[in-house]
Amino acid sequence: GQSLEQPSEVTAVEGAIVQINCTYQTSGFYGLSWYQQHDGGAPTFLSYNGLDGLEETGRFSSFLSRSDSYGYLLLQELQMKDSASYFCAVGRTGGFKTIFGAGTRLFVKA
Amino acid sequence: DAGVIQSPRHEVTEMGQEVTLRCKPISGHDYLFWYRQTMMRGLELLIYFNNNVPIDDSGMPEDRFSAKMPNASFSTLKIQPSEPRDSAVYFCASSPRDRGPNYGYTFGSGTRLTVV
Repeated sequence: GQSLEQPSEVTAVEGAIVQINCTYQTSGFYGLSWYQQHDGGAPTFLSYNGLDGLEETGRFSSFLSRSDSYGYLLLQELQMKDSASYFCAVGRTGGFKTIFGAGTRLFVKA
Repeated sequence: DAGVIQSPRHEVTEMGQEVTLRCKPISGHDYLFWYRQTMMRGLELLIYFNNNVPIDDSGMPEDRFSAKMPNASFSTLKIQPSEPRDSAVYFCASSPRDRGPNYGYTFGSGTRLTVV
């Protein structure tokens, strides 16, 4: 089977940096992606890692270590609007099936 | 590009009634996915299509659920008969083939289904 683990909640202060970790277990791992979802909204794609290393997209960066089955999403210069749920998701070879983690609720305080 | 379009946005129905959810994927996207989101179970993949053909329906909870994709621009998810435990937000998402699996899906706004 497959599983993903990420913290259920993280709280940080506006302007700070926060890291949301994700560990996974799956066979045929293809890549790790991250999504943001505001309350009442749809998940929106943030970042993707197919290879080890860091991918940077503006204030957001994502990291993957395939040997450790581990990745993280890094949010810098936090803003109040970053308060949302963040999901890691894994894809597997041999299909287009993506499985989502349970999500991390990020609270940004003033 | 209008994005992935789902209808209705909200649906309230009585137990035992048939419910049909609709989705229009982004033009040119080869893959279409139906997900269900609840507090207890998170985001669950129900079924996905490639070029209108169902590829994996192992996430469909039971025979009461069925999905079709008669053409590249339209898909339906039907629940018959509906039960209160089907209450959830149902999302449709699409993706082009050349991105590879899991690169990044575009989700519709979802249908919030309440079965009373």
